[in-house]
Amino acid sequence: KQEVTQIPAALSVPEGENLVLNCSFTDSAIYNLQWFRQDPGKGLTSLLLIQSSQREQTSGRLNASLDKSSGRSTLYIAASQPGDSATYLCAVRKAGTALIFGKGTTLSVSS
Amino acid sequence: DTEVTQTPKHLVMGMTNKKSLKCEQHMGHRAMYWYKQKAKKPPELMFVYSYEKLSINESVPSRFSPECPNSSLLNLHLHALQPEDSALYLCASSQVVLRGQILNVAEQFFGPGTRLTVL
Repeated sequence: KQEVTQIPAALSVPEGENLVLNCSFTDSAIYNLQWFRQDPGKGLTSLLLIQSSQREQTSGRLNASLDKSSGRSTLYIAASQPGDSATYLCAVRKAGTALIFGKGTTLSVSS
Repeated sequence: DTEVTQTPKHLVMGMTNKKSLKCEQHMGHRAMYWYKQKAKKPPELMFVYSYEKLSINESVPSRFSPECPNSSLLNLHLHALQPEDSALYLCASSQVVLRGQILNVAEQFFGPGTRLTVL
């Protein structure tokens, strides 16, 4: 059974810092991996999607990498801002199945 | 347009009420999903519709009844709910990709959710 773990569970940083969020999964036979952002009481916003054949994806200040063989993905946030404060969720999908989510990392960026 | 809409935003209902949650997307996606999310927990999958047919039911109690009337709409009918069913209900959609005999899905887009409170 696929399990997704996110470390750390919570992170507090001052504005301007670069930071890395980690995601690991137990079954490397995934179809794709998706990173989401969720603000309190709101829906999920898709940040980046990485297909199993890809190594990384970039969008603005965000960069996500995927090492399928080791079962790991990282989300790199450059020059963090208070508006980046949210919970970040990693989710993986095997072929023909639905997303399996990690428990998330709650990020707080102070000004 | 990469938007999934959900109505209502908030819903308070008694245990004997019947209500419905609605979800709509106009991205041409042929897979639609219902998730339940409790506070400080990740979303939990409830149902998946693929090409308007129910393809996954994650052993959800029958007091939750999904319906997909067409490719753009997804409903969740609620009846005789319990207070522990109070949660944020999220709808999502994605494109479906055929690869051999396996239906794979691409990027998933979520709606803003309906905050449900059962008294």
